[in-house]
Amino acid sequence: GIQVEQSPPDLILQEGANSTLRCNFSDSVNNLQWFHQNPWGQLINLFYIPSGTKQNGRLSATTVATERYSLLYISSSQTTDSGVYFCAAVIYNFNKFYFGSGTKLNVKP
Amino acid sequence: EAQVTQNPRYLITVTGKKLTVTCSQNMNHEYMSWYRQDPGLGLRQIYYSMNVEVTDKGDVPEGYKVSRKEKRNFPLILESPSPNQTSLYFCASSPIPSGRANEQYFGPGTRLTVT
Repeated sequence: GIQVEQSPPDLILQEGANSTLRCNFSDSVNNLQWFHQNPWGQLINLFYIPSGTKQNGRLSATTVATERYSLLYISSSQTTDSGVYFCAAVIYNFNKFYFGSGTKLNVKP
Repeated sequence: EAQVTQNPRYLITVTGKKLTVTCSQNMNHEYMSWYRQDPGLGLRQIYYSMNVEVTDKGDVPEGYKVSRKEKRNFPLILESPSPNQTSLYFCASSPIPSGRANEQYFGPGTRLTVT
């Protein structure tokens, strides 16, 4: 199956700082999503972004499918951004999802 | 409200006692899937279904069964649970425009402990 690698595994930020999370995948994909798992375990959809760039408030994401990576940008971080961020990919022509192991973000006040 | 629901949310059981975790979605999605989440391993797909009566194995199907008799429901069955199936389980659904799984929506999770 596809390999999905996320970096960094852990990140500590001061409130107000910006950050970039990276997701590399080993094969061509036709589906790439970013999720936020909050401290209560709930998985929240952030972006469905198989290619291109999207923005939603302080968050934006870019996927460069030809180079097999996606980036999640968090600007002006807040303590509520804390949690684990996952990317998930689906190999082109298949329908199995593969998740990265996540980036654990801790935003300190 | 569009949502994926799972029941129960928490379950403690003993080895070998059959159990079923239910999953239901009200978005008329064709694609449904089960995942387990374990510390350090992220989420791994157990089974998925492209439509009624169509199911396929994910990466970790051993010890699990699923069925898809109705479009909205996708129960996960553990015929003989073992302690290594202690985990956090998520159900998800997705539309499949053009036959490809699209944006997934997740249920709240079921925390299962097998003693």
